[in-house]
This record gives sequence, structure tokens and C-alpha cells, in this order.
Amino acid sequence: EIVMTQSPATLSVSPGERATLSCRASQSVSSNLAWYQQKPGQAPRLLIYGASTRATGIPARFSGSGSGTEFTLTISSLQSEDFAVYYCQQYNNWPPVTFGQGTRLEIK
Amino acid sequence: QVQLVESGGGVVQPGRSLRLSCAASGFTFSSYGMHWVRQAPGKGLEWVAVISYDGSNKYYADSVKGRFTISRDNSKNTLYLQMNSLRAEDTAVYYCAKPRQLLWFGELSHWGQGTLVTVSS
Repeated sequence: EIVMTQSPATLSVSPGERATLSCRASQSVSSNLAWYQQKPGQAPRLLIYGASTRATGIPARFSGSGSGTEFTLTISSLQSEDFAVYYCQQYNNWPPVTFGQGTRLEIK
Repeated sequence: QVQLVESGGGVVQPGRSLRLSCAASGFTFSSYGMHWVRQAPGKGLEWVAVISYDGSNKYYADSVKGRFTISRDNSKNTLYLQMNSLRAEDTAVYYCAKPRQLLWFGELSHWGQGTLVTVSS
């Protein structure tokens, strides 16, 4: 089973600033990596797939990069609605698909 | 538009059973593999099970293997999760989710609102 490790666990950033979230896989997942955003009481929302492709309707301030074992989600200029929990997910080696433990992005 | 609506959650005693349903609409249900993903209170996401588009193939997380059964009825556009021998650690919100593409295992582009299962005596 591939283990996904996200860092940091919590990230405090001011609105308008850039946020950089990391995700590391225990072995290569190629580019088969997705990012999700989850707000309290809501289902996860797909942001990025294929490591770097924005899902439908996702603003351009969200970008993903990386391949193999190291991945990054960048939010270029944080808006109030971006404060949430973010999860990465690999779907290269399955079953099972595996998720990271999440990064909580909070207002500084 | 794609809609996934889960139902069937509730409070159940340890060792008992529960069946969840997920009613799908807005897409050709019979063409897509479908997943169940759960989230324990205050915790992260845990993949539970997947079923192929025609129901012929199923995979499970080790934590539920032998106790949970995923199934589907394509004539009713409905996904199911039969949960037996429930344990306290199965307490979670259960989501059904649809892959973005026709590949079973891929990014999950649509999720239901979730249904809460609480296992407690």
C-alpha cells in the first residue's frame, strides 16, 4: 500500500498571500495524483488531477505540480473561501487508493 | 448535472448490520465504476470499496474486507454498501463517489453529501 504524507499538518497564512502544501508518496505514483478541498460539513471537492490539471470550475489561483513521489499544491493569493482542509490522493497503485492525512489551511 | 444522494445511515449497535444506498442521476450510471469513501469524526478520508461498472469486480480496504459488501443495481441507478459485524471504528460519514473518467480508479470528481453511521451500544 502506498502511504501518502502531507505537510505541514496545519498552515497559517494571511489572506492575499501564497500557500504551498506538500504531499509525498512512499513510492512513485507517476502523475496519478489528485488534490481535494474540504470545508466543514461538506463533501470533498476535486481541485487538481493528473498532478497539475485543474478540475472543471476551479480558479486559476490553484495550481499543482510534481511527479513521482513529491507533489505541491499552490494557492497563489488566498481568498477567504480557500481556508479549508486539503487532501492529496494517489490512484496509481490500487487497490487501495490512498489519501494523505490532510493539511488544514487556516487564517493567520 | 451529476447528483449522488446517500441514505441509510443511523445509529446501530456493535455487531449489527446496516445497508447504505446511493441514488445516482445526471450521468450514465451503468458506465462508471463507483466508490465508497468514509471519514471518521474529525479524521481524514479513507477509501472503503469500489465496484466496476457492471458489478463484476469489487475491491475492498483491508479494514472492511469480509464484513462489507459493495453492490449496484444499474436498473435503479443505485449503489449499495452492506455493512455487517459493525464495530465502533466503523463510525464515520460514508460518501459515495464517482470517478471523473470511465476508469474505475481515478480522481473522484463527484461526491454525495454523505450519510453518518454511528456504531454504539
